[in-house]
Amino acid sequence: KNEVEQSPQNLTAQEGEFITINCSYSVGISALHWLQQHPGGGIVSLFMLSSGKKKHGRLIATINIQEKHSSLHITASHPRDSAVYICAVTPRGSQGNLIFGKGTKLSVKP
Amino acid sequence: ETGVTQSPTHLIKTRGQQVTLRCSSQSGHNTVSWYQQALGQGPQFIFQYYREEENGRGNFPPRFSGLQFPNYSSELNVNALELDDSALYLCASSLYNEQFFGPGTRLTVL
Repeated sequence: KNEVEQSPQNLTAQEGEFITINCSYSVGISALHWLQQHPGGGIVSLFMLSSGKKKHGRLIATINIQEKHSSLHITASHPRDSAVYICAVTPRGSQGNLIFGKGTKLSVKP
Repeated sequence: ETGVTQSPTHLIKTRGQQVTLRCSSQSGHNTVSWYQQALGQGPQFIFQYYREEENGRGNFPPRFSGLQFPNYSSELNVNALELDDSALYLCASSLYNEQFFGPGTRLTVL
């Protein structure tokens, strides 16, 4: 079993829909990261959080430390949101290296 | 743009050869991490360098080695290439917990 599990693996949505991607982890962490990866390969950090909730534009990330669960929400989705969204954690006591989930491939249709 | 650059962008090698991949960190970042991402998978941690010293290592054999230079740029060296080494290799620089990723080098081993 992977230390970081994401669901769903693939997600297709219509433009304008509200999207939720879930992440569960099994290790103690000092931080959780949501990352976006486009087909070219480059990864962009969307959020780094250790408690509560963060919002940036149409993106919202929440984390429940007790339940070891995080969600990434996209409101009013748009075709340009199509990408792979990856959840990663910084294990507590580590040197800062990340453990990644396998990613959720999101496709938003116009 | 994260300010992290990698070279080359693409590379084709044959089994048994050696390869060197390069990463230029974001200005002021003293930590660099390297990750391997196989097709359809999340990235896997190879190792991390902090101020020119290896600071943590994932489950990769010794033929994967690295260097960090005084200007905090970094190299990943892989000896005796195997077919399974074909992947996207990502470096990420950081000062604290948040990591900034380069665009990656896609290595194909034939």
